[in-house]
Amino acid sequence: SQQGEEDPQALSIQEGENATMNCSYKTSINNLQWYRQNSGRGLVHLILIRSNEREKHSGRLRVTLDTSKKSSSLLITASRAADTASYFCATVPNSGGYQKVTFGTGTKLQVIP
Amino acid sequence: DTAVSQTPKYLVTQMGNDKSIKCEQNLGHDTMYWYKQDSKKFLKIMFSYNNKELIINETVPNRFSPKSPDKAHLNLHINSLELGDSAVYFCASSRPPGGRVSDTQYFGPGTRLTVL
Repeated sequence: SQQGEEDPQALSIQEGENATMNCSYKTSINNLQWYRQNSGRGLVHLILIRSNEREKHSGRLRVTLDTSKKSSSLLITASRAADTASYFCATVPNSGGYQKVTFGTGTKLQVIP
Repeated sequence: DTAVSQTPKYLVTQMGNDKSIKCEQNLGHDTMYWYKQDSKKFLKIMFSYNNKELIINETVPNRFSPKSPDKAHLNLHINSLELGDSAVYFCASSRPPGGRVSDTQYFGPGTRLTVL
């Protein structure tokens, strides 16, 4: 079954507002990653947070991780029209052997100028 | 300078045909992947190679056969194409620290396959 489930599926906000996306997962993880996908393009890595970290920042992005609740959130502050894209969380399990990245269902973000 | 490149970008073909998609990365990474993204944007891993060795092989029909001639290239050959194979196929690469745990993935631009 799918590892990551994102919420909401779609989000529409005005430019300048903050956007929050959530990701829930089911098994113990080594790390969790967030990616952005612009329409018709490949995924671009945004940020990686390891299981022993609780919060991480990168520019206007803030990611939190709550391993007890098996959830993560991505906050984009002061959104811009260029942030319009789909955002995916991806998890890497904490088990032996070669690991695979499992992607969530994605949140489609629309930022209205 | 393209980090991960795929050819072709678009592929339109008839059912029953055989086709190949090529992928190359110039990042010096050890690990490469093929993903399939369906019409609902769900992204699922198909295969992964580490230094030309197959390390992940998900439940994929054996009509799909990956080939890695060297660690910078990973090609995907699909035999007897079916309507359900229509999707966007992404190649990606990464350099897992310690050789096992997946880290940042670098994606190619995707190949949109349409089977008529």
